[in-house]
Amino acid sequence: AQTVTQSQPEMSVQEAETVTLSCTYDTSENNYYLFWYKQPPSRQMILVIRQEAYKQQNATENRFSVNFQKAAKSFSLKISDSQLGDTAMYFCAFRLFGNEKLTFGTGTRLTIIP
Amino acid sequence: DSGVTQTPKHLITATGQRVTLRCSPRSGDLSVYWYQQSLDQGLQFLIQYYNGEERAKGNILERFSAQQFPDLHSELNLSSLELGDSALYFCASSREGQYNSPLHFGNGTRLTVT
Repeated sequence: AQTVTQSQPEMSVQEAETVTLSCTYDTSENNYYLFWYKQPPSRQMILVIRQEAYKQQNATENRFSVNFQKAAKSFSLKISDSQLGDTAMYFCAFRLFGNEKLTFGTGTRLTIIP
Repeated sequence: DSGVTQTPKHLITATGQRVTLRCSPRSGDLSVYWYQQSLDQGLQFLIQYYNGEERAKGNILERFSAQQFPDLHSELNLSSLELGDSALYFCASSREGQYNSPLHFGNGTRLTVT
């Protein structure tokens, strides 16, 4: 079974600073996808960024980028120029190729301080 | 707006009762997933339906059941409710065959069992 671990229950950073959220996963498979979801106080689950395991290039979406280290099974999220609207729970998620089930980590509560 | 609609938004009921949660997927999505999020926890996969048939099962209790109807909407039935069933229940949908396509989540139903 696949597992996803987020070792930082809570983090806080000053507005405009850069913050990195950690995620590690465990799988014996080679083909899979990784995602970061954001859950603001509105509780909606919003996709932030995704990465295909077969791609070596790290995914980027505006201020959000990942550091994907396949050998280390690490998938961290970097938020640059953080904004107050980035305050939310962030969940790392894993999905095997050919399987539509998402396995989530326990989340990191990120607070952006004005 | 993800295009996934969940009703009701909130539900308060007593132990031992039975409730039904409803989900309408995004237009064109054939797969529906149900997830449970207990307080300050990650999302736990319950069950997946594809085009009316059960596709995958996760940690779903025997007291819980689901179905997907011909119009593709889905219902999650929770019976003999216990205090520990209090949680946020999410529905998500996706298109079959696009394994890297993200799940699109509804806004959830907040169930409180008293």
